[in-house]
Amino acid sequence: GNSVTQMEGPVTLSEEAFLTINCTYTATGYPSLFWYVQYPGEGLQLLLKATKADDKGSNKGFEATYRKETTSFHLEKGSVQVSDSAVYFCALSDTDTGRRALTFGSGTRLQVQP
Amino acid sequence: EAQVTQNPRYLITVTGKKLTVTCSQNMNHEYMSWYRQDPGLGLRQIYYSMNVEVTDKGDVPEGYKVSRKEKRNFPLILESPSPNQTSLYFCASSLSPPRLAGYSYEQYFGPGTRLTVT
Repeated sequence: GNSVTQMEGPVTLSEEAFLTINCTYTATGYPSLFWYVQYPGEGLQLLLKATKADDKGSNKGFEATYRKETTSFHLEKGSVQVSDSAVYFCALSDTDTGRRALTFGSGTRLQVQP
Repeated sequence: EAQVTQNPRYLITVTGKKLTVTCSQNMNHEYMSWYRQDPGLGLRQIYYSMNVEVTDKGDVPEGYKVSRKEKRNFPLILESPSPNQTSLYFCASSLSPPRLAGYSYEQYFGPGTRLTVT
């Protein structure tokens, strides 16, 4: 079945540091890939997405590239801010069946210190 | 404003007392789904619905029921809640692309319902 593996957190960085959160996946077919962010006490918000190999999703300074050869979708940001502190979830969407379920990683908590 | 709403946001109940968590979306989405979030496990799908009157089981359906009588609403029903259903629940919705399109639209999530069963 499908699965998503994320690096364990928490990840603690100083403001303006470079961020990488690793995400690898196992899936049949050609899934769509997503990064969602969950701020404290809130629901999940879509951060960025990529629907095919070599696509780069980007939003709010975050980027991730769909790498089919390494089955990866790592999240990066060049300069983090305190306001980026949240839990980040990598997810893939099952496109081979009608279920269209999202398979999530376990989440990575990011803490950015001033 | 386009959104998914859930009610209640917080609920504490006792074992065996039937409850319903409501979910409503105003984006005319065909697809709706329920997830539960547990520490270290990410989110897992409970049930989903491809359209009105079409529902099916996700990964963890035991102990839950759903219905889809209207396009905008997708309530989650716990007939006899147990402590292992203590969790954070999210409703989500999205458009449904053609089956053979080979891609998926993103899902929009509600704010979550924190349920405690004692």
